[in-house]
Amino acid sequence: AQSVTQLGSHVSVSEGALVLLRCNYSSSVPPYLFWYVQYPNQGLQLLLKYTSAATLVKGINGFEAEFKKSETSFHLTKPSAHMSDAAEYFCAVSEPSPSAGGTSYGKLTFGQGTILTVHP
Amino acid sequence: DGGITQSPKYLFRKEGQNVTLSCEQNLNHDAMYWYRQDPGQGLRLIYYSQIVNDFQKGDIAEGYSVSREKKESFPLTVTSAQKNPTAFYLCASSQGRRTGELFFGEGSRLTVL
Repeated sequence: AQSVTQLGSHVSVSEGALVLLRCNYSSSVPPYLFWYVQYPNQGLQLLLKYTSAATLVKGINGFEAEFKKSETSFHLTKPSAHMSDAAEYFCAVSEPSPSAGGTSYGKLTFGQGTILTVHP
Repeated sequence: DGGITQSPKYLFRKEGQNVTLSCEQNLNHDAMYWYRQDPGQGLRLIYYSQIVNDFQKGDIAEGYSVSREKKESFPLTVTSAQKNPTAFYLCASSQGRRTGELFFGEGSRLTVL
């Protein structure tokens, strides 16, 4: 069964500092991996996704993540934090379904979330 | 604009009452999902539907029911059997044959008094 662990429920950085949010996954087959962002009392918005193409994935708002199979990790980074980055971030994993021709039906398993705080 | 509409955004109910949360999408997506969100627990899958008139239980289906009579609509009923219904509920959809990317609604916050 697939699972996701996000290390650190809260991360605090200064404006302009590097953002690093950690995600480790467990999957029996090569997975699809996602990072979503959620602002208070809103739905989730996709930041980026890994679907077995390039291991370094670039997303919106300057975020990127690197798929490292040997470490079963998919950490999210941004070189310089902005106040508007303050939100909750979720890592998610999905296993391709053989019965669906190797594509996924979107049964994502989510991590517990990491709340990012950005200080002026 | 295409998207997913959830209603109501906030809902208060007395203990023991059934409540139904609405989810409508105009993205022409085949698959739809209901997730429950509690602080510090991420999102947990309640029910999902890959096609009309078919749906499957997720990880925490007990105390919930759904229907999928139309492609665009996937309402969730929180029944009185759900022991702890106060939560933030998120509806999502996906193409179903793609890479699993989900598109989310804005959520419905249910508070049981």
